[in-house]
Amino acid sequence: GAGVSQSPRYKVAKRGQDVALRCDPISGHVSLFWYQQALGQGPEFLTYFQNEAQLDKSGLPSDRFFAERPEGSVSTLKIQRTQQEDSAVYLCASSDLGRQVNTEAFFGQGTRLTVV
Amino acid sequence: GESVGLHLPTLSVQEGDNSIINCAYSNSASDYFIWYKQESGKGPQFIIDIRSNMDKRQGQRVTVLLNKTVKHLSLQIAATQPGDSAVYFCAENTGGFKTIFGAGTRLFVKA
Repeated sequence: GAGVSQSPRYKVAKRGQDVALRCDPISGHVSLFWYQQALGQGPEFLTYFQNEAQLDKSGLPSDRFFAERPEGSVSTLKIQRTQQEDSAVYLCASSDLGRQVNTEAFFGQGTRLTVV
Repeated sequence: GESVGLHLPTLSVQEGDNSIINCAYSNSASDYFIWYKQESGKGPQFIIDIRSNMDKRQGQRVTVLLNKTVKHLSLQIAATQPGDSAVYFCAENTGGFKTIFGAGTRLFVKA
Protein backbone atom coordinates (compact mmCIF):
# COMPACT_ATOMS: atom_id res chain seq x y z
CA GLY A 1 0.00 0.00 0.00
CA ALA A 2 0.90 3.64 -0.25
CA GLY A 3 1.05 4.24 3.47
CA VAL A 4 1.01 2.61 6.88
CA SER A 5 -2.25 0.76 7.42
CA GLN A 6 -3.70 -0.10 10.81
CA SER A 7 -6.68 -2.25 11.67
CA PRO A 8 -9.17 -2.11 13.13
CA ARG A 9 -9.71 1.67 13.15
CA TYR A 10 -11.89 1.37 16.25
CA LYS A 11 -12.08 -1.34 18.87
CA VAL A 12 -14.36 -1.53 21.88
CA ALA A 13 -13.34 -4.16 24.41
CA LYS A 14 -14.86 -5.22 27.67
CA ARG A 15 -12.56 -5.01 30.65
CA GLY A 16 -10.58 -8.22 30.89
CA GLN A 17 -10.83 -9.03 27.19
CA ASP A 18 -7.74 -9.63 25.05
CA VAL A 19 -7.24 -7.51 21.91
CA ALA A 20 -4.91 -7.63 18.91
CA LEU A 21 -4.06 -4.58 16.84
CA ARG A 22 -2.52 -4.93 13.41
CA CYS A 23 -0.02 -2.73 11.58
CA ASP A 24 0.95 -3.04 7.91
CA PRO A 25 4.01 -0.82 7.42
CA ILE A 26 5.13 0.67 4.15
CA SER A 27 6.59 -2.10 2.03
CA GLY A 28 10.33 -2.46 2.54
CA HIS A 29 10.52 -0.32 5.64
CA VAL A 30 13.02 -1.77 8.08
CA SER A 31 11.98 0.11 11.20
CA LEU A 32 8.59 -0.17 12.88
CA PHE A 33 7.41 1.68 15.96
CA TRP A 34 4.35 1.47 18.20
CA TYR A 35 3.14 4.48 20.16
CA GLN A 36 0.28 5.03 22.59
CA GLN A 37 -1.57 8.33 22.49
CA ALA A 38 -3.93 9.22 25.30
CA LEU A 39 -6.62 11.82 24.67
CA GLY A 40 -5.14 15.30 24.50
CA GLN A 41 -1.57 14.05 24.85
CA GLY A 42 1.36 13.47 22.58
CA PRO A 43 2.25 9.96 21.44
CA GLU A 44 4.33 7.91 23.86
CA PHE A 45 6.83 5.34 22.65
CA LEU A 46 5.99 1.71 23.31
CA THR A 47 8.34 -0.46 21.30
CA TYR A 48 10.64 -0.61 18.27
CA PHE A 49 11.42 -3.31 15.71
CA GLN A 50 14.24 -3.46 13.23
CA ASN A 51 13.07 -6.07 10.77
CA GLU A 52 11.86 -8.95 12.96
CA ALA A 53 14.02 -8.05 15.94
CA GLN A 54 12.40 -6.19 18.82
CA LEU A 55 15.26 -3.93 19.85
CA ASP A 56 13.50 -1.81 22.41
CA LYS A 57 10.38 -2.60 24.39
CA SER A 58 11.05 -0.32 27.30
CA GLY A 59 7.88 1.70 26.71
CA LEU A 60 5.46 -1.19 27.13
CA PRO A 61 3.51 -0.25 30.28
CA SER A 62 3.09 -3.75 31.67
CA ASP A 63 3.56 -7.42 30.90
CA ARG A 64 0.00 -7.43 29.56
CA PHE A 65 1.37 -5.74 26.44
CA PHE A 66 3.13 -7.81 23.84
CA ALA A 67 4.25 -6.96 20.31
CA GLU A 68 5.60 -9.11 17.51
CA ARG A 69 6.79 -8.79 13.93
CA PRO A 70 7.66 -12.39 13.03
CA GLU A 71 8.52 -11.91 9.35
CA GLY A 72 9.82 -8.39 9.52
CA SER A 73 6.79 -6.81 7.90
CA VAL A 74 3.33 -6.91 9.53
CA SER A 75 3.30 -6.29 13.26
CA THR A 76 0.73 -7.08 15.92
CA LEU A 77 0.32 -5.38 19.28
CA LYS A 78 -1.52 -7.58 21.73
CA ILE A 79 -3.01 -6.43 25.00
CA GLN A 80 -4.14 -9.06 27.44
CA ARG A 81 -6.80 -8.58 30.12
CA THR A 82 -7.52 -5.02 29.01
CA GLN A 83 -8.06 -2.35 31.65
CA GLN A 84 -9.80 1.00 31.36
CA GLU A 85 -6.46 2.81 31.50
CA ASP A 86 -5.52 1.04 28.27
CA SER A 87 -8.06 3.18 26.41
CA ALA A 88 -6.08 5.25 23.91
CA VAL A 89 -5.14 5.54 20.27
CA TYR A 90 -2.41 3.12 19.31
CA LEU A 91 -0.23 4.42 16.51
CA CYS A 92 2.14 2.50 14.30
CA ALA A 93 4.93 4.14 12.31
CA SER A 94 7.57 2.87 9.91
CA SER A 95 10.72 4.24 8.36
CA ASP A 96 12.94 3.02 5.57
CA LEU A 97 16.34 3.07 7.19
CA GLY A 98 17.89 0.76 9.71
CA ARG A 99 18.73 3.57 12.06
CA GLN A 100 15.95 5.23 13.99
CA VAL A 101 17.66 8.51 14.35
CA ASN A 102 17.41 11.24 11.74
CA THR A 103 14.86 9.47 9.62
CA GLU A 104 11.34 10.46 8.71
CA ALA A 105 8.78 8.10 10.22
CA PHE A 106 5.40 7.64 8.53
CA PHE A 107 2.44 7.10 10.82
CA GLY A 108 -0.73 5.15 10.32
CA GLN A 109 -4.14 6.54 11.28
CA GLY A 110 -4.12 4.58 14.51
CA THR A 111 -6.49 2.23 16.27
CA ARG A 112 -8.74 3.84 18.86
CA LEU A 113 -9.21 1.36 21.71
CA THR A 114 -11.98 1.94 24.20
CA VAL A 115 -12.18 -0.38 27.19
CA VAL A 116 -15.59 -0.44 28.88
CA GLY B 1 14.41 13.31 33.15
CA GLU B 2 13.75 13.87 29.49
CA SER B 3 10.81 16.06 28.64
CA VAL B 4 9.51 18.09 25.77
CA GLY B 5 6.83 20.62 26.42
CA LEU B 6 5.04 23.46 24.73
CA HIS B 7 4.47 26.98 26.04
CA LEU B 8 1.01 27.49 24.55
CA PRO B 9 -1.65 24.80 24.47
CA THR B 10 -3.78 26.72 21.90
CA LEU B 11 -3.05 29.34 19.27
CA SER B 12 -5.60 31.22 17.20
CA VAL B 13 -4.49 33.18 14.14
CA GLN B 14 -6.14 34.98 11.27
CA GLU B 15 -5.89 33.44 7.84
CA GLY B 16 -2.92 34.90 6.00
CA ASP B 17 -1.02 35.81 9.15
CA ASN B 18 2.15 34.07 10.26
CA SER B 19 2.00 31.52 13.09
CA ILE B 20 4.69 30.77 15.62
CA ILE B 21 4.49 27.65 17.76
CA ASN B 22 7.01 27.30 20.57
CA CYS B 23 8.49 24.32 22.33
CA ALA B 24 10.92 23.84 25.22
CA TYR B 25 13.02 20.77 25.77
CA SER B 26 15.02 19.75 28.79
CA ASN B 27 17.50 17.14 27.55
CA SER B 28 20.67 18.85 26.38
CA ALA B 29 21.78 15.55 24.83
CA SER B 30 18.98 15.66 22.26
CA ASP B 31 20.48 16.02 18.80
CA TYR B 32 17.53 15.73 16.48
CA PHE B 33 14.19 17.54 16.56
CA ILE B 34 11.05 17.05 14.53
CA TRP B 35 7.78 18.90 14.11
CA TYR B 36 4.65 16.88 13.40
CA LYS B 37 1.16 17.97 12.40
CA GLN B 38 -1.80 15.89 13.50
CA GLU B 39 -5.28 16.41 12.13
CA SER B 40 -8.32 14.98 13.85
CA GLY B 41 -8.60 11.23 13.35
CA LYS B 42 -5.23 10.94 11.65
CA GLY B 43 -1.74 9.97 12.65
CA PRO B 44 1.04 12.55 13.03
CA GLN B 45 2.46 13.85 9.77
CA PHE B 46 6.11 14.87 9.45
CA ILE B 47 6.55 18.58 8.71
CA ILE B 48 10.19 19.43 9.13
CA ASP B 49 13.23 18.37 11.14
CA ILE B 50 16.45 19.93 12.32
CA ARG B 51 19.71 18.60 13.71
CA SER B 52 21.47 20.09 16.70
CA ASN B 53 24.32 21.42 14.55
CA MET B 54 21.90 23.79 12.84
CA ASP B 55 20.05 26.88 14.06
CA LYS B 56 17.51 27.24 11.30
CA ARG B 57 15.96 25.19 8.57
CA GLN B 58 13.38 26.20 6.01
CA GLY B 59 10.78 24.23 4.16
CA GLN B 60 7.79 25.15 2.12
CA ARG B 61 6.05 27.90 4.15
CA VAL B 62 7.59 26.53 7.34
CA THR B 63 10.74 27.41 9.23
CA VAL B 64 12.15 25.71 12.32
CA LEU B 65 14.44 27.59 14.66
CA LEU B 66 16.59 25.91 17.29
CA ASN B 67 18.14 27.77 20.20
CA LYS B 68 20.32 25.33 22.07
CA THR B 69 21.40 27.91 24.63
CA VAL B 70 17.90 28.12 26.09
CA LYS B 71 16.72 24.73 24.80
CA HIS B 72 13.99 26.23 22.72
CA LEU B 73 12.46 25.17 19.42
CA SER B 74 9.95 27.03 17.31
CA LEU B 75 7.91 26.39 14.19
CA GLN B 76 6.98 29.31 12.01
CA ILE B 77 4.22 28.93 9.44
CA ALA B 78 4.00 31.68 6.84
CA ALA B 79 0.66 32.86 5.42
CA THR B 80 -1.34 30.48 7.58
CA GLN B 81 -4.20 28.77 5.78
CA PRO B 82 -7.35 27.04 7.09
CA GLY B 83 -5.77 23.71 6.15
CA ASP B 84 -3.04 24.39 8.70
CA SER B 85 -5.54 23.97 11.53
CA ALA B 86 -4.35 20.97 13.52
CA VAL B 87 -2.40 19.97 16.61
CA TYR B 88 1.34 20.48 16.26
CA PHE B 89 3.86 18.40 18.21
CA CYS B 90 7.53 18.97 18.66
CA ALA B 91 9.55 15.86 19.29
CA GLU B 92 13.14 15.14 20.25
CA ASN B 93 15.53 12.27 19.81
CA THR B 94 18.79 11.60 21.59
CA GLY B 95 20.11 9.12 19.05
CA GLY B 96 18.32 6.06 20.36
CA PHE B 97 15.13 4.36 19.28
CA LYS B 98 12.75 6.57 21.18
CA THR B 99 11.29 9.81 19.93
CA ILE B 100 9.82 11.87 22.74
CA PHE B 101 6.79 13.97 21.89
CA GLY B 102 5.54 17.07 23.63
CA ALA B 103 1.92 17.56 24.65
CA GLY B 104 0.98 19.53 21.53
CA THR B 105 -0.37 22.94 20.53
CA ARG B 106 -3.72 23.28 18.82
CA LEU B 107 -3.67 25.83 16.00
CA PHE B 108 -6.97 27.46 14.98
CA VAL B 109 -7.02 29.44 11.76
CA LYS B 110 -9.82 31.98 11.49
CA ALA B 111 -11.09 32.73 8.01
